[in-house]
Amino acid sequence: DTAVSQTPKYLVTQMGNDKSIKCEQNLGHDTMYWYKQDSKKFLKIMFSYNNKELIINETVPNRFSPKSPDKAHLNLHINSLELGDSAVYFCASRLSHGTPYGYTFGSGTRLTVV
Amino acid sequence: GDSVTQMEGPVTLSEEAFLTINCTYTATGYPSLFWYVQYPGEGLQLLLKATKADDKGSNKGFEATYRKETTSFHLEKGSVQVSDSAVYFCALKITGNQFYFGTGTSLTVIP
Repeated sequence: DTAVSQTPKYLVTQMGNDKSIKCEQNLGHDTMYWYKQDSKKFLKIMFSYNNKELIINETVPNRFSPKSPDKAHLNLHINSLELGDSAVYFCASRLSHGTPYGYTFGSGTRLTVV
Repeated sequence: GDSVTQMEGPVTLSEEAFLTINCTYTATGYPSLFWYVQYPGEGLQLLLKATKADDKGSNKGFEATYRKETTSFHLEKGSVQVSDSAVYFCALKITGNQFYFGTGTSLTVIP
């Protein structure tokens, strides 16, 4: 049922570990995004894929690597986790053509690095 | 560059009070403008949008008018409820695939 679903919802892990967050959308959208929301609620774009092609790659550490196996999925893998990676990560999707409607967001993954 | 500036929070209002959250933008083209809402513990949801000058977006009693002359898209509601307590984000989109978000304004409505 859920339009944009992220897993897991919560993730607590130790520094230095490698973890992945998965995102799937069933809306038929062709563009997907990862946003990071810090403790002050500021939203910062990290990556965007359009039809499996990387189109936005903001300045993030190369420990973060997105992967889009198909249009409906965009996963985020993080290597060597650091304390500063603690945040809520939001996946979002939209249709790139036609009327410029907004995003549909997932409910977020709260990552805590200890 | 393109950007969005919205009023700093937090904002605390009593129930049934009038709400205004200011949002101004800087854009090189003709942006579409959006307000998103984030309820506690949830993801962001589209609240309303406007795609051209003088358009008014409205939803759930909230309104915002796209004012090109003042480059603004202020969010208003005539009578807020406790259930409106959330973080509100103003956003714009020019071309391409990127949105620009404001920093968010936290609203708390007390009974």
